[in-house]
Amino acid sequence: NAGVTQTPKFQVLKTGQSMTLQCAQDMNHNSMYWYRQDPGMGLRLIYYSASEGTTDKGEVPNGYNVSRLNKREFSLRLESAAPSQTSVYFCASKEVPGLPTGQETQYFGPGTRLLVL
Amino acid sequence: DAKTTQPPSMDCAEGRAANLPCNHSTISGNEYVYWYRQIHSQGPQYIIHGLKNNETNEMASLIITEDRKSSTLILPHATLRDTAVYYCIVRSDNNAGNMLTFGGGTRLMVKP
Repeated sequence: NAGVTQTPKFQVLKTGQSMTLQCAQDMNHNSMYWYRQDPGMGLRLIYYSASEGTTDKGEVPNGYNVSRLNKREFSLRLESAAPSQTSVYFCASKEVPGLPTGQETQYFGPGTRLLVL
Repeated sequence: DAKTTQPPSMDCAEGRAANLPCNHSTISGNEYVYWYRQIHSQGPQYIIHGLKNNETNEMASLIITEDRKSSTLILPHATLRDTAVYYCIVRSDNNAGNMLTFGGGTRLMVKP
């Protein structure tokens, strides 16, 4: 199993450009998440998808849109990139119902490093 | 979810035990304590979690005080590869979307 994969690994954008970050997981997990991490900071949740067909806003959703394309894939789109969106973006997935209470580990991808000039 | 407080940084000698503290004085009865770590330039990695009892797995031990207001993650024999930022997270199963809220964490430096 590859686990959680993200593409691209690195990207440089100019202000106003758009792009889509891709995330896929092969663990048959129901829930998927997008986080951003700024230098020296912890992770902040942008959007999440509790199950296929649903998406919800996290802590910092402004400037982003998401699509849960199917159970495996969850993409993050920047419609008009801004320098404030320069960050490292992590995708994560998690199995939910059916597990004993508390055993809800999130598995993270390797991250996408985005620079907006 | 309850807020956590961790020291910003700690050092540990290679081969010695690393004890990483976490305060969560506002934790409620249905909230679990989770520990993740993030090695430089990688995504966070799950380590261990617990509710009331102490827990141990192949990576670490988790000691939770009887009043559950604090906990300690123990890496019994730290190696250079354990150098990372360690995050203590408290969350409940009622957390909408089962989100993880990451704070600043503790930057552990394991030295030769």
